[in-house]
Amino acid sequence: AQSVTQPDIHITVSEGASLELRCNYSYGATPYLFWYVQSPGQGLQLLLKYFSGDTLVQGIKGFEAEFKRSQSSFNLRKPSVHWSDAAEYFCAVGFSGGYNKLIFGAGTRLAVHP
Amino acid sequence: DAGVIQSPRHEVTEMGQEVTLRCKPISGHNSLFWYRQTMMRGLELLIYFNNNVPIDDSGMPEDRFSAKMPNASFSTLKIQPSEPRDSAVYFCASSLGDQAYNEQFFGPGTRLTVL
Repeated sequence: AQSVTQPDIHITVSEGASLELRCNYSYGATPYLFWYVQSPGQGLQLLLKYFSGDTLVQGIKGFEAEFKRSQSSFNLRKPSVHWSDAAEYFCAVGFSGGYNKLIFGAGTRLAVHP
Repeated sequence: DAGVIQSPRHEVTEMGQEVTLRCKPISGHNSLFWYRQTMMRGLELLIYFNNNVPIDDSGMPEDRFSAKMPNASFSTLKIQPSEPRDSAVYFCASSLGDQAYNEQFFGPGTRLTVL
């Protein structure tokens, strides 16, 4: 069965430090990959997505993610975290051949220390 | 564009009462999703509509839950009777198209508390 794993439930970083959030998926073919961010009391906002082509994708707010087929991973990165990045981050996977159903990971809650 | 609109933003009700959550998708979008978010289960897809037709309702927990989309600009999710375990944040999302690569735009959610 298809699944999405975000191994880290909580991460705390200092402002200005680099960030990497992990995401692994289970699927027999290349899926469509997404990262969403949810600020407190808000809905989810798309940060970036990967469908094909260059495996390093750029998103909004200075985020990027790299698709690694050999590791079935799609990790989210940011070189320098800002206090406003504190939020919950969700990795999601969609699959071709069906409709636009997404499977979401459990989320990683990011805290940023000043 | 105003984005996906949900109402109410907060709902507190007593066990056994009927609850109706409302959603207005982004104009022109033809796919609509209802999700439920809880600490224990994360974000779950409840039901998906395409062109106002329910395509997949396999995530609807039980018969107490029902959803309708009478037209392209309005959908409701109803719980009758409500139970404390239904307490959650309910999100509506919409997208243009019916493929997995179509971006889903989420509303702000309705926080439901059933006492």
